[in-house]
Order: sequence, then C-alpha cells, then structure tokens
Amino acid sequence: SQQGEEDPQALSIQEGENATMNCSYKTSINNLQWYRQNSGRGLVHLILIRSNEREKHSGRLRVTLDTSKKSSSLLITASRAADTASYFCATGYSSASKIIFGSGTRLSIRP
Amino acid sequence: GAVVSQHPSRVICKSGTSVKIECRSLDFQATTMFWYRQFPKKSLMLMATSNEGSKATYEQGVEKDKFLINHASLTLSTLTVTSAHPEDSSFYICSASTSGSRIAYEQYFGPGTRLTVT
Repeated sequence: SQQGEEDPQALSIQEGENATMNCSYKTSINNLQWYRQNSGRGLVHLILIRSNEREKHSGRLRVTLDTSKKSSSLLITASRAADTASYFCATGYSSASKIIFGSGTRLSIRP
Repeated sequence: GAVVSQHPSRVICKSGTSVKIECRSLDFQATTMFWYRQFPKKSLMLMATSNEGSKATYEQGVEKDKFLINHASLTLSTLTVTSAHPEDSSFYICSASTSGSRIAYEQYFGPGTRLTVT
C-alpha cells in the first residue's frame, strides 16, 4: 500500500504544550500536505510543502520535510483546546493528481 | 472561494437499494474530482479519480460496478452506491481540483456524506 504511516496514532497533551506528529512515506513525492479533521466533519487544508522545501511555517504550525528519510513532521506550538482533532498527512506525486493519506494522528488537548 | 458541497450530508437506506451522492464545486470549475471513503477513526482511502467527460479511474480493490462515478460537468460529480449493503456504511468524502488552481496540486474537500445501510 502507498499509504503513509503516522505516529503517534494518538496524542494527549496539556493545553499550552507543543504537539509533534510524524509522517513517513514509501516512495518519492512531489509534495506533502497536512490536513485537520474534526470528528465526523470534512477536511481542512493546513499546509503544503514541496519536495524541494525543507521547512515551512504558518502561524502556530511548523512543518518539516526530510526527503532522504521520507518523513515529515507537523509541530503545533502553544496548543489550544480547539486544536483537538485528527491530523493527516497526504502525499502528492504529480501535478493535479491524486494524493494518498497517511493513517492519521488523533490529538487531544486537555484543558 | 473554492467551496465544494456534498449532498446529502446524511442518508439512511435499506439494504439492496441504490444511493446517489452529489459533489459540486460551487465557485470554480473542477477538472478533476476524487472520491474517498473513511471508516470510523480511520484514514481516508481513495476510491477513484474522475476527470470531466471521461471514465473514472478506480483504485485497486474498488468495485467499479458497485461504486458508479459520473463526472458529467465541470461542477458536478456523482457517486452511486448500487445495491448497498451494511458493509457499505461509511463516510464518503469528495474533493475537487482545477488546472487553474492558484496552488498546483491543491484539492478542495467537501464536508462528507455519512451513509448508513440498514
């Protein structure tokens, strides 16, 4: 299967702490994206990083990409209760083509 | 901009009947649409990719005769689950992309349709 693996599968942290999620994939990619999904809802696109980029920031989000290790990480700083959701990485392989989702990390923020 | 809608949001049907789910791009032309299936607490599994005016490309293991996909216009794709059975109960999500996207490769996701087959 092309599906990437994410770890941890579940993460529970205290509000205000940082949350780090990791994604590993198997074949060479064109880009990698991170999405958030609240329970039973649609997906929200968070950030896209291209294969020639190593790090990207967006607000409290920081994404890294290591193509030599075929891995990416998503860091959420100063977590808030509203960050409670499932987070998925998705790998893209060419322009306007399909993307393949990772297994996801369920993040819970304790107040 | 770049809003994708799905209809219905929830549907309950009896075993053996067929159900149609619509996916619409509201403010852009979707040259490509994707259909995903998601089981509870699991990831999204790509079912098929459809380009306007041509036959859908199904992922390995997805029955094309059971999950009929039609992409008749640049703003509408439909997924029909034929002769539905309880094991078809799932959350179905569509997404759309356009060759005119500000960011190449970007997909816009619909809110999903929860199908329950009794």
